[in-house]
Amino acid sequence: LAKTTQPISMDSYEGQEVNITCSHNNIATNDYITWYQQFPSQGPRFIIQGYKTKVTNEVASLFIPADRKSSTLSLPRVSLSDTAVYYCLVGGDYKLSFGAGTTVTVRA
Amino acid sequence: GAGVSQSPRYKVAKRGQDVALRCDPISGHVSLFWYQQALGQGPEFLTYFQNEAQLDKSGLPSDRFFAERPEGSVSTLKIQRTQQEDSAVYLCASSLETSFSPDTQYFGPGTRLTVL
Repeated sequence: LAKTTQPISMDSYEGQEVNITCSHNNIATNDYITWYQQFPSQGPRFIIQGYKTKVTNEVASLFIPADRKSSTLSLPRVSLSDTAVYYCLVGGDYKLSFGAGTTVTVRA
Repeated sequence: GAGVSQSPRYKVAKRGQDVALRCDPISGHVSLFWYQQALGQGPEFLTYFQNEAQLDKSGLPSDRFFAERPEGSVSTLKIQRTQQEDSAVYLCASSLETSFSPDTQYFGPGTRLTVL
């Protein structure tokens, strides 16, 4: 499984855009990049998944450069309710490997 | 619709006791997963079922851990002779697809196990 590196924590303010970059230098050809979000006392929740270039949904955008050795999750105009742990996962099968994640704290 | 549910939400056990944790996946989901999450860490994979077949149990930490899904829906994770290091949140997830791909997994709220 490809190892990922992401910041331990990030602070932001309401209304700002939050960008979390994840490094995955050893990503394999058949690996996808997936992001999950976890609130306290809840299970993780799928946010977005991509293979290359850019993916956007109603919640976030995922930017993946051509070499795929990193990816950036972008959360537009965050609110207090976006305070959570965000996990970057890289893999090609069902066995999700979470790592420690990035704790994002949004302040008023 | 109903999501993944787990029971109990909290369990306190004395060291050496056996515990059973239940997972009700989303109806119709073929795949079911168990994860263990220690405090301050991300979830770690324990085991995977496709219908009633346990296809991967490589993450189970010891032979004290046993999981089953006899009818291909509800699953039970059993821990025998609990130890303090078993204290963690146990998460269950399910997904629709049967293929070995990074399909979206839907997680339950977890069961927090505390072993005294």
